[in-house]
Amino acid sequence: KQEVTQIPAALSVPEGENLVLNCSFTDSAIYNLQWFRQDPGKGLTSLLLIQSSQREQTSGRLNASLDKSSGRSTLYIAASQPGDSATYLCAVKGTNAGKSTFGDGTTLTVKP
Amino acid sequence: EPEVTQTPSHQVTQMGQEVILRCVPISNHLYFYWYRQILGQKVEFLVSFYNNEISEKSEIFDDQFSVERPDGSNFTLKIRSTKLEDSAMYFCASSYNRGVNEKLFFGSGTQLSVL
Repeated sequence: KQEVTQIPAALSVPEGENLVLNCSFTDSAIYNLQWFRQDPGKGLTSLLLIQSSQREQTSGRLNASLDKSSGRSTLYIAASQPGDSATYLCAVKGTNAGKSTFGDGTTLTVKP
Repeated sequence: EPEVTQTPSHQVTQMGQEVILRCVPISNHLYFYWYRQILGQKVEFLVSFYNNEISEKSEIFDDQFSVERPDGSNFTLKIRSTKLEDSAMYFCASSYNRGVNEKLFFGSGTQLSVL
């Protein structure tokens, strides 16, 4: 059974800092890994998708890496802004039928 | 940008009542999902649906739950007899394709409160 863990659970940084969020998973037989952003009481917004054969994906100030063999992914946020404050979730897709397993999330606060 | 739309945004019901949560997936998407998130807990998979059939379901998705695509645009989740523990945010998601580049698009959710 796939288990997904995210560390840290919460992170508070001053504006402008670069930061790294971590996601680990127990079963390396995955199809892909997707990073989401969740604002309080809202839905999930997709940030980046990394296919199982890829090592990283970039979008603007975000960079996600994947090391499937060690069961790890990181989300790097450059030059953080207060608008980046949200909960960040990683989700691992383990079967072709579609189930994704989510981590608990990292709640990020960026202080002006 | 196309969105997944869910209605209602909030639903309050009495224990034992039936509820139907509604979703309009992105129009050219073929694969549909329901997830839920109990307050303070992880987002959990409930069911995936393709070609008018359930593809996969979790142990949570018991006989009290059912899904339907009644027409070409709507995708519904029915809970036949709600329990207190069904209180959660329910998310609908859709995707265009399966496989390694399947990207999930989520709706804003329906907050279900069972009293």
